[in-house]
Amino acid sequence: QVQLVQSGAEVKKPGASVKVSCKASGYTFTSHGISWVRQAPGQGLEWMGRISAHNGNTNYAQKLQGRVIMTTDTSTSTAYMELRSLRSDDTAVYYCARGDWGFDYWGQGTLVTVSS
Amino acid sequence: QPVLTQSSSASASLGSSVKLTCTLSSGHSSYIIAWHQQQPGKAPRYLLKLERSGSYNKGSGVPDRFSGSSSGADRYLTISNLQSEDEADYYCETWDTTGVFGGGTKLTVL
Repeated sequence: QVQLVQSGAEVKKPGASVKVSCKASGYTFTSHGISWVRQAPGQGLEWMGRISAHNGNTNYAQKLQGRVIMTTDTSTSTAYMELRSLRSDDTAVYYCARGDWGFDYWGQGTLVTVSS
Repeated sequence: QPVLTQSSSASASLGSSVKLTCTLSSGHSSYIIAWHQQQPGKAPRYLLKLERSGSYNKGSGVPDRFSGSSSGADRYLTISNLQSEDEADYYCETWDTTGVFGGGTKLTVL
């Protein structure tokens, strides 16, 4: 069965970086893109960007351009999302999801807390 | 870029039906959307993809109680025979050059 398993919770200071992983199993990793979505406390879902697991092409949300980097490691079927220059309003649960859109499988989420 | 508009809340009684609406912005009425359910404290779960024609494809394991329909720029999610576990936030989502989510509808089962 398809599974996306994310890395554990993180606590970071403002200005630091965080890198969240998403390990895929149960399907051919390179056949589907991986997207990243975040959810601030009590808020809705926010699309962050996507990466093609086939060729590494990326699209990022404009507001995150220059701070976010999405990568994949096809040898381990793992996707990564790195967010730099963290601010307090980056505190959120970060989800990976399978697909470029219409995400049919989601990871369990990773809480990233940014606090001094 | 399309904008997706959802009512912030809805409520319906146990065992009844409810129809949630997601409205596409002007000029984007042909877009396919997806519906996702997020139960309290859990990750979102894919429900179905819905076309302008009203044709839809459900995700694996999604109960028959969930169905989709369309009218113009409106995309609907109907939940029949409401159960307590249907109390959740429901988000619609689409894609152009970037991903887009609606603001979500909080469904209360009375």
